[in-house]
Amino acid sequence: QVQLVQSGAEVKKPGASVKVSCKASGYTFTSYGISWVRQAPGQGLEWMGWISAYNGNTNYAQKLQGRVTMTTDTSTSTAYMELRSLRSDDTAVYYCARPLSSGLTALGNWGQGTLVTVSS
Amino acid sequence: DIQMTQSPSTLSASVGDRVTITCRASQSISSWLAWYQQKPGKAPKLLIYKASSLESGVPSRFSGSGSGTEFTLTISSLQPDDFATYYCQQYNSYSSTFGGGTKVEIK
Repeated sequence: QVQLVQSGAEVKKPGASVKVSCKASGYTFTSYGISWVRQAPGQGLEWMGWISAYNGNTNYAQKLQGRVTMTTDTSTSTAYMELRSLRSDDTAVYYCARPLSSGLTALGNWGQGTLVTVSS
Repeated sequence: DIQMTQSPSTLSASVGDRVTITCRASQSISSWLAWYQQKPGKAPKLLIYKASSLESGVPSRFSGSGSGTEFTLTISSLQPDDFATYYCQQYNSYSSTFGGGTKVEIK
């Protein structure tokens, strides 16, 4: 069965960076991409971007361009999301999710979420 | 970016009610629309993809319709397990956005 297991909660100071991992199992990692979605406390879902695990191609949300980098390590079937220059409004639960097919499509499998708190 | 507008933002309903949630896109997205259910403290769960295709394992009381810019999610007979927040999501080749969400509450 498809599983996405994310790294643990993080507390960061404003201006710092955070890197969240998402380890995939139960399927051929390079046959699908990984999307990242975040949710601020009490707020809705925000799509952050997508990476192809096949060739590393990325698409990022315009508002995060320049601050976010998504990567994959095919040797360990792990995806990473790094967010730099953190601000208090980056406090959120960050989810990785696998689309239903190889491209950017509906998200059928989700990680458990990683809480990132940005506070001085 | 394509904007997604969901309505209503909150909906009060009773068990057995027929419930309809609407999602409007700021430009045509063909049928590239998904619906999710989210409960507090949990990751979202995919219900519908490609506007009207039911995800495996999702009860048949959930259905989706629409194309272009207007879409609906219908729950034919609301069950106790359905009280949750629902989100639409558009996806195309290069980008994706979610609607603001609709919270379905017990009346």
